[in-house]
Amino acid sequence: EVQLVESGGGLVQPGESLRLSCAASGFTFSSYWMHWVRQAPGKGPVWVSRINSDGSSTSYADSVKGRFTISRDNAKNTLYLQMNSLRAEDTAVYYCARGIGYRLPDWGQGTLVTVSS
Amino acid sequence: QSALTQPASVSGSPGQSITISCTGTSSDVGGYNYVSWYQQHPGKAPKFMIYDVSNRPSGVSNRFSGSKSGNTASLTISGLQAEDEADYYCSSYTSSSTVVFGGGTKLTVL
Repeated sequence: EVQLVESGGGLVQPGESLRLSCAASGFTFSSYWMHWVRQAPGKGPVWVSRINSDGSSTSYADSVKGRFTISRDNAKNTLYLQMNSLRAEDTAVYYCARGIGYRLPDWGQGTLVTVSS
Repeated sequence: QSALTQPASVSGSPGQSITISCTGTSSDVGGYNYVSWYQQHPGKAPKFMIYDVSNRPSGVSNRFSGSKSGNTASLTISGLQAEDEADYYCSSYTSSSTVVFGGGTKLTVL
C-alpha cells in the first residue's frame, strides 16, 4: 500500500523559511516522479512543483519560482520542499503526491503551513 | 496559469445522473488528453477518480465516467449515491509542463 507522510509544517512569520518532508513507502520511490500540491483553506488544490525520478529535472508554478526548491533523497525515500521568503498567500495545506507523469494517483494527508505575523 | 473553470455547485437526487464541466484552453484541456478528476471529502486528501480524460483507476466505481470535447472536459456520475457528496476537481497538463487544477465543484446529493 502506498503511504505518503508529510511533516514540517507550522506557523512562521512572513519572510521566513520552512522545509517540508514527505516520507514515502509501499512503492519503489526512485521510479516515480513526485509532486507538491497546496490547498488554501476553502479553496481548490494548486499545483506547486514536481521532480522527476532521479532528481535531475524539476518544474515550478510561477507563484513559487525562485522561492521554493523541490528535491529528493532516493536512498531515504523522502521528498522535500524548501520554502524561502514565505508570504501570507503561501498559507495552505501542502500535500505530496506520487506522480505517474502528471497524473497524481496517490496523495499524503497533508501538512499545514501558516504564514502570519 | 489560470485555474480551469468549473461550476461552483451541482446537485442531484439519489439514482440520478449529474455532469460536471471543466473548461480550459487549447494550452491545457484542449491540447492534451491528460485530464484527471479528483474527489475530495471534507478534511481528506483528494482521491484520484479519472485519468487521461476517461480512464478509471482500479477500485473506482464504473458510475464515474469522463469525456472531453474541445477545451471542455466533463465528469459524469450516474446512479448518484449519498457517499458521492463531495468536492470535485479537474486537472490538466499544460503546455508549460505544469499542472493546472479547476476551482472545484461542490456536489450535493439531495
